Amino acid sequence: GNSVTQMEGPVTLSEEAFLTINCTYTATGYPSLFWYVQYPGEGLQLLLKATKADDKGSNKGFEATYRKETTSFHLEKGSVQVSDSAVYFCALSDPGNTGFQKLVFGTGTRLLVSP
Amino acid sequence: SQTIHQWPATLVQPVGSPLSLECTVEGTSNPNLYWYRQAAGRGLQLLFYSIGIGQISSEVPQNLSASRPQDRQFILSSKKLLLSDSGFYLCAWSVQGKTQYFGPGTRLLVL
Repeated sequence: GNSVTQMEGPVTLSEEAFLTINCTYTATGYPSLFWYVQYPGEGLQLLLKATKADDKGSNKGFEATYRKETTSFHLEKGSVQVSDSAVYFCALSDPGNTGFQKLVFGTGTRLLVSP
Repeated sequence: SQTIHQWPATLVQPVGSPLSLECTVEGTSNPNLYWYRQAAGRGLQLLFYSIGIGQISSEVPQNLSASRPQDRQFILSSKKLLLSDSGFYLCAWSVQGKTQYFGPGTRLLVL
């Protein structure tokens, strides 16, 4: 079946450091890929998405490129801030037989940014 | 614009008691609705989804049930809670097969 694998956390960085959170996926067909962010005590917010190979999603300084050849969708940011501390979830959509979007999530990666 | 509400925000319940969590969406019609659970230290698991009033699909066998009595209302229920039902419950909506948007969640602790 479809699955998403994320790097284990927590990832601990100093402010202004470069961030990479790895995400790889296994899927049949051509899923869309997503990064969601969960700030402490809150629900999930869509951070960025990509719907086909070589697409780059970007938002708030974060970027991720849909790499079909390596089945990856790594999240990057050039300079993190303390306010970026959160849990980041990689996900893919599984349209299934009905065309209904089902999301398959990774286990999440906690990012801790210190001043 | 569309908004999604969940309540209560936090709930502490004894084992064996009933449960009712509510989710409502504003600003859209005929949304697809979803219930997810996030257990401690784990990712999100899809529990139920609904494409219309009275239409519920269950993803995993469990102690919970879902209902959709109105177009923009989605309810998660249990007759008797188990310790393993503890977790963070998230409701989400989407328009057909488009991006899903999540509510603020309900944190449930079963003691």
